[in-house]
Parts: sequence; C-alpha cells; structure tokens
Amino acid sequence: DAGVTQSPTHLIKTRGQHVTLRCSPISGHKSVSWYQQVLGQGPQFIFQYYEKEERGRGNFPDRFSARQFPNYSSELNVNALLLGDSALYLCASSLETGLFYEQYFGPGTRLTVT
Amino acid sequence: AQTVTQSQPEMSVQEAETVTLSCTYDTSESDYYLFWYKQPPSRQMILVIRQEAYKQQNATENRFSVNFQKAAKSFSLKISDSQLGDAAMYFCASPTSSGGGADGLTFGKGTHLIIQP
Repeated sequence: DAGVTQSPTHLIKTRGQHVTLRCSPISGHKSVSWYQQVLGQGPQFIFQYYEKEERGRGNFPDRFSARQFPNYSSELNVNALLLGDSALYLCASSLETGLFYEQYFGPGTRLTVT
Repeated sequence: AQTVTQSQPEMSVQEAETVTLSCTYDTSESDYYLFWYKQPPSRQMILVIRQEAYKQQNATENRFSVNFQKAAKSFSLKISDSQLGDAAMYFCASPTSSGGGADGLTFGKGTHLIIQP
C-alpha cells in the first residue's frame, strides 16, 4: 500500500507570493494533519482535518489555511510568504482523529522563500 | 500549552551498545498514546514505537523499548545493539488535546543520535 504522498518535493518562492502544498493520505485514512519543521527543531502543528472539517489549529497566522477534499486529500495554502516561512512542511495521516491513533508522515515539501 | 522536553540535544553510542534517549511530557489527559519517531537525513518521519498510557507494560519493538513512568510523565527510548542505520534525529511526541480529541502531536526538539563504528 502506498504511504502518505506530498507534492511538490521542493519549492522556491519569493517573499509576498502564495504557495499551495498537496497531500494524499494513506488509503482509508480520514484525518490529515499539517506540520511545519524549521531546521534543527521538532515539527510544529499547523492544522488537523477530519472528514473535511477543521478539527484543530496550531499557533499560526491567518496567512495559513488548509482544506480537505471528499477523497480525504488535503491542501495547505500560505499567503504573503515571509522569509521565516522557509521550512519543511510535513503532512501526516491517521485512520481517525483522537488521542489513540498513530500518525504516519509523508516525505515533506521543502519550501524556500527568498 | 502542552510541552514535550528532550533534554539531550545529541547522544553518541558505540555500535552494538545500548543507548537511552530521555523525554518528559505534560498532559492533562488520563489516557493517551505516546510516540517516538525517527527522522534520518532523508527527512521522512518514521514511527518507531508507541506506548499506550493506560497499559502498565512497557512497549517493545525488536531492539527498541520504552521506559514509561506515567506518574513522572517520563517516556524514555532504549535502543539495544545499536546499528549504523539507527543514526538519525529522534523525536518524542504526545497528542495535543483540546478536550474533544487530539488536534495533532506536540513534538520535542529532538535528540541527534550518532553511532560510532
């Protein structure tokens, strides 16, 4: 079975631009979460979606938004990019949402903002 | 806010030896899972082991085992017979709960594990 997939692998954008990152969960998984990992740090939670609804949001500005589609794939959008948005963006899927479900991660999208 | 603390930024161990990585966490939940993830230079986060907080028995997966002390909110990872392929960043993670279910995972800052041949 295919794992979590993310596209693109790498991305270079200019300050002020907009970016869309995509994620496909493991087949059968209904929940998708997004994380930002700055170099040398642990991942930080951005969003969690379950059955196309936002279930939680981390401490990120409104420039960050996301959505989940009927096939459970997801998009993360970032507007008005800042240099500080440069990071590895990780998507994770889980069978359900809650305290008792493992999250499986994709390979990430490396975003560089210049 | 939930916190996960990994106090060892870097650890080094000889091949075939045993190493223990430390983690403490903070949660108001009574039942939950805890996780250790491995992130090699390829950057893919790989689930190493999970511990169910309501089980007293420590989880074991082949050479990987945990020492879970619920009262102390401590969750350490022991790697036995260390191998070169174990070299990676290791992250401890606990669910971030809003009271109605997990929003996501809270991660520690990680421990960089070096395996000396």
